[in-house]
Amino acid sequence: LAKTTQPISMDSYEGQEVNITCSHNNIATNDYITWYQQFPSQGPRFIIQGYKTKVTNEVASLFIPADRKSSTLSLPRVSLSDTAVYYCLVGDNNNNDMRFGAGTRLTVKP
Amino acid sequence: KAGVTQTPRYLIKTRGQQVTLSCSPISGHRSVSWYQQTPGQGLQFLFEYFSETQRNKGNFPGRFSGRQFSNSRSEMNVSTLELGDSALYLCASSHTQGLSTDTQYFGPGTRLTVL
Repeated sequence: LAKTTQPISMDSYEGQEVNITCSHNNIATNDYITWYQQFPSQGPRFIIQGYKTKVTNEVASLFIPADRKSSTLSLPRVSLSDTAVYYCLVGDNNNNDMRFGAGTRLTVKP
Repeated sequence: KAGVTQTPRYLIKTRGQQVTLSCSPISGHRSVSWYQQTPGQGLQFLFEYFSETQRNKGNFPGRFSGRQFSNSRSEMNVSTLELGDSALYLCASSHTQGLSTDTQYFGPGTRLTVL
């Protein structure tokens, strides 16, 4: 089971780009990388998922280097409402015992 | 399409009691997973059900159990409640089994307080 490591917390200001990096050194060949966002007292919400290179959607971008031992979630021009905890998960379709870890608490300041 | 619903949203119980929480997945989703979230331990996987069968179980004592019905609705039960069981219990559904390659959609959770 691939273990992930993320910074505990990050601060940013409105309008800035935020990059949150997740380390997953023992990622397996079949593993995908998925990021979730969670606001207080709510369930996590899917942000983005990728396998390699770069993935972009209307919310974020996910950068995955060739060795796949890390990944970076990029949030463009954050706003106050992006203040939340961001979780990085790594696993394959047969591994349901997913560990969310502590996540990264992002605080966006005005 | 309606999202994942969980009932009740809030629950207060006393030590030694048992509790049953309910989760209705998104229509068409066959996989339901349960998680416990506490400030100290974060989000921890309890178990996953797919087509009425438990496919995976996290590292929780036998007091925590669950089941899934033919309509994919799921319930989890906690017996002999302890103070440490106070937490937000989250249910997530997905179309197929597994987490990574299939997006999981989470419900709002049931906040259980054990006194």
